[in-house]
Amino acid sequence: NAGVTQTPKFQVLKTGQSMTLQCAQDMNHEYMSWYRQDPGMGLRLIHYSVGAGITDQGEVPNGYNVSRSTTEDFPLRLLSAAPSQTSVYFCASSYREPHNEQFFGPGTRLTVL
Amino acid sequence: KNQVEQSPQSLIILEGKNCTLQCNYTVSPFSNLRWYKQDTGRGPVSLTIMTFSENTKSNGRYTATLDADTKQSSLHITASQLSDSASYICVVSDPPSAGAGSYQLTFGKGTKLSVIP
Repeated sequence: NAGVTQTPKFQVLKTGQSMTLQCAQDMNHEYMSWYRQDPGMGLRLIHYSVGAGITDQGEVPNGYNVSRSTTEDFPLRLLSAAPSQTSVYFCASSYREPHNEQFFGPGTRLTVL
Repeated sequence: KNQVEQSPQSLIILEGKNCTLQCNYTVSPFSNLRWYKQDTGRGPVSLTIMTFSENTKSNGRYTATLDADTKQSSLHITASQLSDSASYICVVSDPPSAGAGSYQLTFGKGTKLSVIP
């Protein structure tokens, strides 16, 4: 099993550009989520999904969109990148609920100029 | 608002020594508490998960303890190795309240451990 995979690993954007961060898992987990990690702060939940076709907002959803068309994939879209979105982004998955063991991807380091 | 406070923020220890990291939380009610290890440039990896009824759980040289009465947890690392250099994150989950729909996780900011030769 590959576990949770994320692409790209690094990305530099200009303000106003859009892009999609990819996330995939091969463990047949229902629950998937996106976090951002900033220096001096804990991981913060952006969006999550409890199954294909179902998504919901987390703590910091503004500026991000998600969709879940399959169990395996959970892409995160930045519609119009802003410097405040410079961060490291982690995708995670778990069996059913997030209070079960969560498996994290390797992260995407995004810089918005 | 639920909070998870970790101390110290950073710690430097000599290889072979033991250390203890602290986690205090205000989350209530409480479902479980977990400790993650995050190597630089990598995603967090689970070390231990404890429910409110468990007092201690071990994973090799890592031992987590939990006092649900005082809302404190600690992670003890025995005979530290250079590979233990990482950030250690405490995460507490609480069950969904009426209408919330999903468990909520509260993350601590982490303790950065450096093990030096």
